[in-house]
Parts: sequence; structure tokens; C-alpha cells
Amino acid sequence: NAGVTQTPKFQVLKTGQSMTLQCAQDMNHEYMSWYRQDPGMGLRLIHYSVGAGITDQGEVPNGYNVSRSTTEDFPLRLLSAAPSQTSVYFCASSQGGGRDTQYFGPGTRLTVL
Amino acid sequence: GNSVTQMEGPVTLSEEAFLTINCTYTATGYPSLFWYVQYPGEGLQLLLKATKADDKGSNKGFEATYRKETTSFHLEKGSVQVSDSAVYFCALITGGTSYGKLTFGQGTILTVHP
Repeated sequence: NAGVTQTPKFQVLKTGQSMTLQCAQDMNHEYMSWYRQDPGMGLRLIHYSVGAGITDQGEVPNGYNVSRSTTEDFPLRLLSAAPSQTSVYFCASSQGGGRDTQYFGPGTRLTVL
Repeated sequence: GNSVTQMEGPVTLSEEAFLTINCTYTATGYPSLFWYVQYPGEGLQLLLKATKADDKGSNKGFEATYRKETTSFHLEKGSVQVSDSAVYFCALITGGTSYGKLTFGQGTILTVHP
């Protein structure tokens, strides 16, 4: 099992560019989510999905889109990058959501200039 | 809403010292409580968890007890090692409309010197 994988590991964008952060899991987990980590603020939830075809907003969804066409993949799209989106992004998954233990990927460090 | 407050860091200790990292919470509903650890350059790993009052989670010499009366989940270790240097996050999760959404504290940086 590879667990939760994320690509790329590092990315530098210019303001206004778009990109997709990839997330995949091989544990057949139904629940997947995206968090961003900023200094002194812990992790904050961006979007989540309770299963293929179902997504919903978290605490800080503005500027991000998601889709869930398969159980395995949950990409995060930045439509028009802004410096405020400079952060470390983590994808997580769990068996059924709820109170199940969540497993995190290694993260993507994004810098927007 | 839900919130988690951790003690201010960073925390610097000598090897074999006793560690306490304080964590208190507010929650709507009955939370499950977690400690996650992030080693340098890595993602978050679950360290331990507790799902009901008075439960004690433990792993790798770390312990934390779910105290409902004081809404706390303090992390302790009797003798830290250099390899314990990392960022520690306290987190909670509740059911209902907060389904599956982890709420994190701000993280505490621990550095252990030989």
C-alpha cells in the first residue's frame, strides 16, 4: 500500500496562473479531504468528499475547486493563483469519514509570486 | 463551533526530560480527540487518539487522557529523545454537520537537544 500520495512535492506559480494538485489513495477510502497549513494556524479544511461524485466546502474554500470522479483520486484546482494561496497543502483520507482515523499525504509546498 | 487551543511554543528540552504539551478544546457535541505529529519535511501521522471521556491514548511512550470535565487532552512523555523533535498537533472531530472535519490546534514545535 502506498497510502495517500500527492504530486507535485513543490510548485512555484505566478499570480493568475492555474494548476492542479493531485491526490490519490489506494486504501479504498470513501472520505477524502484537502487542508492547507499556514504558520501559527494549524491546518484548515478546504474541501472534502464523502464518496465519488460528492463534494462539499470546508472552512476556507474560496479560490479552489475539487471534483471526485473516482474513489481513488481527489484533485484540487487553483483557478487563478494568488499570493494568499502560498501554503502547504495536505490531502487526507479515511475509511468512512465521521470519526474514522484520517491518513495524510506528504504534502505539496506551493509558492505564489 | 469547534476549536482547539494548544500551549504556545516552541518547546525546547534536553534529552530524557519530561514533556507536557497542553491542549484544551471547545466542541459542539461529543468529540473524539487526536494528537498528530509532523516530522521535518513529512506529512502528519496519527500519534494517538481517544474517543470517550477518561480514555487514555498511548503510543511510542506518549500518553494523553480525555478529560471531559476540564475539556483537555494534554500530551505527556516521561523521557523525550532527540528523535521526538517534531511539530505536534492536537485535533478533534465531532459528528453531525461537522462530519469528518478535523479541527486542529495551531501546532507546537518541540526541539530536543542531546
